[in-house]
Amino acid sequence: ETGVTQTPRHLVMGMTNKKSLKCEQHLGHNAMYWYKQSAKKPLELMFVYNFKEQTENNSVPSRFSPECPNSSHLFLHLHTLQPEDSALYLCASSQGLTGGRRGELFFGEGSRLTVL
Amino acid sequence: DAKTTQPPSMDCAEGRAANLPCNHSTISGNEYVYWYRQIHSQGPQYIIHGLKNNETNEMASLIITEDRKSSTLILPHATLRDTAVYYCIVRVGGNAGNMLTFGGGTRLMVKP
Repeated sequence: ETGVTQTPRHLVMGMTNKKSLKCEQHLGHNAMYWYKQSAKKPLELMFVYNFKEQTENNSVPSRFSPECPNSSHLFLHLHTLQPEDSALYLCASSQGLTGGRRGELFFGEGSRLTVL
Repeated sequence: DAKTTQPPSMDCAEGRAANLPCNHSTISGNEYVYWYRQIHSQGPQYIIHGLKNNETNEMASLIITEDRKSSTLILPHATLRDTAVYYCIVRVGGNAGNMLTFGGGTRLMVKP
């Protein structure tokens, strides 16, 4: 249990569907992140939020739309995805952008997305 | 962030020490060495980090060479639960996540 909870753990969707991934952290952190992990590829940073404000968008296509209503919750809205978007989507949080004394990121267990 | 090179896979016998090497020959003076691991179907987990000195915590030890061009993560008594992909990352201090580049890592298999 890392203190970062992601739902759903598994999601299957068609290319015309609209769905959302949810992340919640119970660690009192202010910074939250979305990462994408495709098969046989390194982890890719997608978005960074600090105190609800987006500070980084790593050239992510607009079919991925993040939302951060408060410092504890982060959403990733998905629409008109492609099969190549199938991946493990990981949420992380940290104590500020520096990650505190240890510079540590805390990851959730991920949402496994399959796009048909 | 400096690039790292790790062997793609390693085996270790249960109860023995697992020594995972990492080369980071282009590391800069202000870059830290971080180790994370990812157990199957879970998110990455922080293990340890260091700048110049060797470090030890309840999970592992980190040995950094004097020239800082390589390091070794040591799991002193590997268990089956240590089977995972281990990532060596170098990054400057400051932003925790948006400068954390994960490479391919080393897949450690701990065998009975």
